Amino acid sequence: EAQVTQNPRYLITVTGKKLTVTCSQNMNHEYMSWYRQDPGLGLRQIYYSMNVEVTDKGDVPEGYKVSRKEKRNFPLILESPSPNQTSLYFCASTGGHEQFFGPGTRLTVL
Amino acid sequence: GQQLNQSPQSMFIQEGEDVSMNCTSSSIFNTWLWYKQDPGEGPVLLIALYKAGELTSNGRLTAQFGITRKDSFLNISASIPSDVGIYFCAGHTGNQFYFGTGTSLTVIP
Repeated sequence: EAQVTQNPRYLITVTGKKLTVTCSQNMNHEYMSWYRQDPGLGLRQIYYSMNVEVTDKGDVPEGYKVSRKEKRNFPLILESPSPNQTSLYFCASTGGHEQFFGPGTRLTVL
Repeated sequence: GQQLNQSPQSMFIQEGEDVSMNCTSSSIFNTWLWYKQDPGEGPVLLIALYKAGELTSNGRLTAQFGITRKDSFLNISASIPSDVGIYFCAGHTGNQFYFGTGTSLTVIP
């Protein structure tokens, strides 16, 4: 079954404590991306990756890092989380123009 | 970043009514996409539009890619309770996707 998985689904952390949200896809897609969803703002692209070892900033990259060491995985890293990064995060894997979204990670930074 | 203006923000309709929502942009897009998001889940693609003027249907859903390439609309005919959710438009240009702010649809049985 084609799918995008994210872990964890829910995370409560404190300011400054480094965290990683994992994302994995089994569709052999080259293009993957990360979004954050906030009320009234829709989804905003944080980072995207066109292929292994190729990553680019989206609209809201500040405070985030990503890596793409292998095609199937695209982790999102928050080196020093802050409360304004409290949000719902989605990973997406894209084939053609169709994006397949993961189930989301709800992050709360206290 | 590019701004997509989606309207209306929310709609409350009776079951069986038709629904229309639209999206406008200050920029040109090469592709317009419409997604639906159910509570607790990620968005799911409903319709993709690839060229200006294109009109595409998917069951009770119909969407059009505006001639100017700066707008798109989505119609849902004869709404049913399972149409409830948040609908997003998205534009694709270059290597990036830009999303609208969403239309929350409530269908009253």
